[in-house]
Amino acid sequence: EPEVTQTPSHQVTQMGQEVILRCVPISNHLYFYWYRQILGQKVEFLVSFYNNEISEKSEIFDDQFSVERPDGSNFTLKIRSTKLEDSAMYFCASSEIRTGGKLFFGSGTQLSVL
Amino acid sequence: SQQGEEDPQALSIQEGENATMNCSYKTSINNLQWYRQNSGRGLVHLILIRSNEREKHSGRLRVTLDTSKKSSSLLITASRAADTASYFCATDAAGAQKLVFGQGTRLTINP
Repeated sequence: EPEVTQTPSHQVTQMGQEVILRCVPISNHLYFYWYRQILGQKVEFLVSFYNNEISEKSEIFDDQFSVERPDGSNFTLKIRSTKLEDSAMYFCASSEIRTGGKLFFGSGTQLSVL
Repeated sequence: SQQGEEDPQALSIQEGENATMNCSYKTSINNLQWYRQNSGRGLVHLILIRSNEREKHSGRLRVTLDTSKKSSSLLITASRAADTASYFCATDAAGAQKLVFGQGTRLTINP
């Protein structure tokens, strides 16, 4: 079964550093998402992306965050200057259809900001 | 804001028993989905119920939706130890480009 892949699985960084989290969505999917989950808490929406532009973003997704689809396969989340509170599990997801479809999630990148 | 809230937050039952988890939300939706998350892993889609449906089955899963009460329930019958996971409901509002997830229910099945 096709799957969403994320790299790295773990990322440790110093506060203030830039990080890039990478995702390869399922190949025929057109809608891409980033979510995050602080340990033991709910899964929070960050951003949705379609046709090379952001469709919707949450309040969490401030100017420190950006997303990009640099080629036909990768989808990246960049955090320009990490803060301690950015420590979380970041999940990439993709879907075939715009709304009402199920999301396929990657296994996540655990980001630890020290 | 639209937000799913599951209850209970945690549920522990014996293998073979049925597990029921509930979800409430605040705004009108197109559909409601349930996902499962094993510890430290990504979410896996279980079942989707549309706003014009009242009940749906998939294997040992049964989902109900009451749009008048803005609530849904997920029933897992004849639970197994492998069902131990967190279960999340997620709602898809009209015009929104996202799913909004609830807090989740941590289900533990004791052998």
